[in-house]
Amino acid sequence: GAGVSQTPSNKVTEKGKYVELRCDPISGHTALYWYRQSLGQGPEFLIYFQGTGAADDSGLPNDRFFAVRPEGSVSTLKIQRTERGDSAVYLCASSLGGGTTDTQYFGPGTRLTVL
Amino acid sequence: KQEVTQIPAALSVPEGENLVLNCSFTDSAIYNLQWFRQDPGKGLTSLLLIQSSQREQTSGRLNASLDKSSGRSTLYIAASQPGDSATYLCAVPYNTDKLIFGTGTRLQVFP
Repeated sequence: GAGVSQTPSNKVTEKGKYVELRCDPISGHTALYWYRQSLGQGPEFLIYFQGTGAADDSGLPNDRFFAVRPEGSVSTLKIQRTERGDSAVYLCASSLGGGTTDTQYFGPGTRLTVL
Repeated sequence: KQEVTQIPAALSVPEGENLVLNCSFTDSAIYNLQWFRQDPGKGLTSLLLIQSSQREQTSGRLNASLDKSSGRSTLYIAASQPGDSATYLCAVPYNTDKLIFGTGTRLQVFP
């Protein structure tokens, strides 16, 4: 079946603008994760959904970042008043049930560039 | 706080060599450790997942070992090929949900 998909693949925006990044997880996966990867670094955790609820949002850097998953499938990461430091690749992953024994499957990422 | 480091940061080898990539973690109370491959501009592909009760896992030319007590894992790649060129990341779960990643080893295998 289809893997995790993310749209857009690339997003260029101006400082101060609002952006939305979308993630379509693997069908049937209840757990969904967002990570952010800066150049030359490993991915860093942002937020974890179990179903429709955010089970752990401790990685969100500040209140400009928000994510939703209203129907327990597709998720949208929203960034308000973007700053140049937000430029990174935003990765989404899903797993069957969450927890430590399930493999997380990653999407190709959205490369965000804030000018 | 769990910290994961990987050495070397970059590696360039001729085709056919056997390689060892290293990953270390500060908190040995891990549930498992996972190795990923990342190609330029692409997402992460899971290569191997070793449970905390296991010592090693093998998949084709790849073999990953885990020594929890010393906080180390190695990824062994046998008979390297140019198609193995990529960045290799190790990760451990923390607080049962999030993965903590190392900074990766960028591997180039030249013909």
